[in-house]
Formats: sequence, structure tokens, C-alpha cells
Amino acid sequence: KAGVTQTPRYLIKTRGQQVTLSCSPISGHRSVSWYQQTPGQGLQFLFEYFSETQRNKGNFPGRFSGRQFSNSRSEMNVSTLELGDSALYLCASSLGQQSYEQYFGPGTRLTVT
Amino acid sequence: GEDVEQSLFLSVREGDSSVINCTYTDSSSTYLYWYKQEPGAGLQLLTYIFSNMDMKQDQRLTVLLNKKDKHLSLRIADTQTGDSAIYFCAESKPGGYQKVTFGIGTKLQVIP
Repeated sequence: KAGVTQTPRYLIKTRGQQVTLSCSPISGHRSVSWYQQTPGQGLQFLFEYFSETQRNKGNFPGRFSGRQFSNSRSEMNVSTLELGDSALYLCASSLGQQSYEQYFGPGTRLTVT
Repeated sequence: GEDVEQSLFLSVREGDSSVINCTYTDSSSTYLYWYKQEPGAGLQLLTYIFSNMDMKQDQRLTVLLNKKDKHLSLRIADTQTGDSAIYFCAESKPGGYQKVTFGIGTKLQVIP
């Protein structure tokens, strides 16, 4: 079974631009969660989608948004990029409902200059 | 509030046992996890324990939970150089199983 895939793996953007990251979950998994990992703040939960609905949300500004498609693939968008948005963005999938086992993708390394 | 704390660094010799410790503050935490992250990679779920359990063993890994003290530990027996990585303690609560709160991570260095 293929694991969680994330594209692109690396991205360089300029302040003020916007960016879209993509995540394809493990086949059969319906829940996709997004995390931001930085050296200073560690891993922080962004949001979680299940069956195309946002089910949980972390404490991030509205510039961070996401969506999930009917095939469970998910995208995350960050608008008006700031230098502090430079991070590794990790996506995790799980079966959903009461599933507590999450499987992570390799991440997208975003650098904002 | 939600807080998971762990030490930043641990160094052990190959063949010894490693013990990585973690404390959490939220008594409603239901699931507690240990994840491993190798350089340039995502997180790998190593093991997890339900809050109503005291111990879980899985091959070389032993997880101990002291719910009264809100203390979680991960013991790796016969530590190998391939175990060198960052280990994250994490917790989630009922109704938010996918909203996982992570510690800052403990970097394990295994000396040959």
C-alpha cells in the first residue's frame, strides 16, 4: 500500500505570495491533518479534514486554509506569505472517525524569502 | 491547557538501553504516542498507549505510563545506531483524535 504523498517536496516563495501544498492520503483513509513544524515552535496542528469537512482547527491565522476533495486528497493554502511561514509542512492521514493512528507524509519544505 | 514536555537531548552507547521521558499536563488525554523522525523525513508512529494502560511492550520498545504523575516514558532496548533520530511524545483527546499535541522532541544520539 502506498504511503502518504506530498507535493511539492521543496518550495521557495517570496513574501506576499501565496502557496498551495498538496497531500494524497493512504488509500482508504478519509481523514487528513496538516501540521507545521519549525525549530522554534515544534510541531503545531493546523487543521483536519474528514469527508470534505473541516473537523478540527488549530490556532493559526485565517491566511492558512485548506480543503479536501471527494477522493480524500487535500490541499493547504497559505496566502500573503510571511518570513515566519518558512517551515516543514506535514500531512497525516488516518482512517477517520475514531481512528487514532496517523501516518505522516515526508513533508513539504517551504522557504519564504 | 495543552502542554507536552520532554528533554531535548539524550546520548547512549550502542547496545545500551535508552529511556526517553515525557510529561503532559492535560489529564483528559486519552491516547499517548511516540513518534520517530529521521533527518529529512516525516514522522513515523512507533507505538501508542491508551490512558487506561500502565505499560505496553512491542519488540524492543516498552512504554510506561504513570497517569497519576502524567509521565510517559519510552524505553528502547539494545539501542542501535539506526535508532538515532528525534523522538516525539504526543497526546490526543476524545473527540479530537486527529488533533495531536506534540512535545518539542528528544534527539537521541547513539554512539557506536
